[in-house]
Amino acid sequence: AQSVTQLGSHVSVSEGALVLLRCNYSSSVPPYLFWYVQYPNQGLQLLLKYTSAATLVKGINGFEAEFKKSETSFHLTKPSAHMSDAAEYFCAVSDQGGYNKLIFGAGTRLAVHP
Amino acid sequence: GAGVSQTPSNKVTEKGKYVELRCDPISGHTALYWYRQSLGQGPEFLIYFQGTGAADDSGLPNDRFFAVRPEGSVSTLKIQRTERGDSAVYLCASSEQGGDEQFFGPGTRLTVL
Repeated sequence: AQSVTQLGSHVSVSEGALVLLRCNYSSSVPPYLFWYVQYPNQGLQLLLKYTSAATLVKGINGFEAEFKKSETSFHLTKPSAHMSDAAEYFCAVSDQGGYNKLIFGAGTRLAVHP
Repeated sequence: GAGVSQTPSNKVTEKGKYVELRCDPISGHTALYWYRQSLGQGPEFLIYFQGTGAADDSGLPNDRFFAVRPEGSVSTLKIQRTERGDSAVYLCASSEQGGDEQFFGPGTRLTVL
């Protein structure tokens, strides 16, 4: 069975600081991995996805994530946080890309303070 | 183009009542998914449609939950004899055939009193 663990339900950073949101997965088959962002009272928006091509994936709004098979990790980073990055972030895994059910982590709420 | 839409945006009902939640996927998307997101948790898979048929309903919690997609487009999630524990945000997503990205709607917030 697949599963996702997001370490840290709340992360707080200063504006301009590095953002690091952690995600570890468990999968018996090569996984497809996703990061979604959810702003207050809005739907989930895809930030980036790993689909067995390049291990370093660049997404929208300056975010990127690196797939590390040996560590079963897919951590999300952004070099410099902006106030507008404050939101809830979800890591998800699928065994057939998007054409199958997504298994989500519990989410990490990112706060950005001046 | 238009994204995934869900109606109503909010639904308040009493324990024991029946509710229907509607999802309009992106036009042309053959796959449709329902998820449930309880407070403080990530979305949890409920059911997946490929066309008109339910390809995977393993996430439906019990037989009070049922979903249909009769014409392969709009889908309705039906909950009978609602319980307070059914209170959550119900999310719908769609994807194109062979696509690796699911597009999510804004959700329906269901509150069972």
